[in-house]
Amino acid sequence: DGGITQSPKYLFRKEGQNVTLSCEQNLNHDAMYWYRQDPGQGLRLIYYSQIVNDFQKGDIAEGYSVSREKKESFPLTVTSAQKNPTAFYLCASSLSGTGGYGYTFGSGTRLTVV
Amino acid sequence: QQQVKQSPQSLIVQKGGISIINCAYENTAFDYFPWYQQFPGKGPALLIAIRPDVSEKKEGRFTISFNKSAKQFSLHIMDSQPGDSATYFCAASSSARQLTFGSGTQLTVLP
Repeated sequence: DGGITQSPKYLFRKEGQNVTLSCEQNLNHDAMYWYRQDPGQGLRLIYYSQIVNDFQKGDIAEGYSVSREKKESFPLTVTSAQKNPTAFYLCASSLSGTGGYGYTFGSGTRLTVV
Repeated sequence: QQQVKQSPQSLIVQKGGISIINCAYENTAFDYFPWYQQFPGKGPALLIAIRPDVSEKKEGRFTISFNKSAKQFSLHIMDSQPGDSATYFCAASSSARQLTFGSGTQLTVLP
């Protein structure tokens, strides 16, 4: 079955550590996205990529980094510069050039700072 | 800059009742308006969507009403069931652009 796989489901980070969240899709989608979800704030866009080897900052990119070396993969690194990283992180993908049509989300990664 | 405003933040409805969630947008270039349903610990899933050339779209118990002049759209859940208890997000996008989401509504349907 086609879909998006996020791993791990739960992740714990110590102060000052960088951690990387994995996102893999087998839908042959060109575009991939990372969103952060906090209670009462909806989904906020961190980074997005419309094509391999290219990505753009979203609304809250500070303290995060991404790469897009393969069409299927769009990992997100939460760096030590992100002062409040505890949140639920969602990866999504869609066909490029279709706007919001056909977004598919993964099941999310819950990151907690300990 | 919040381009899609959603209300209420939380909603409690009795089983069999009608749940209504409202959204308003600012960007007149938006041309696609989906609603997503999210259960705890899961990613959002597309529930129903509408384009601005129609004023209403119905799929089973779920209906989107769209008012282009007022720049508002709403989700109506008829005969609400406990299994509908979830968080609902409205969203909007324009051609070839990513979705912008509302802040979410936590719906609880009491048995």
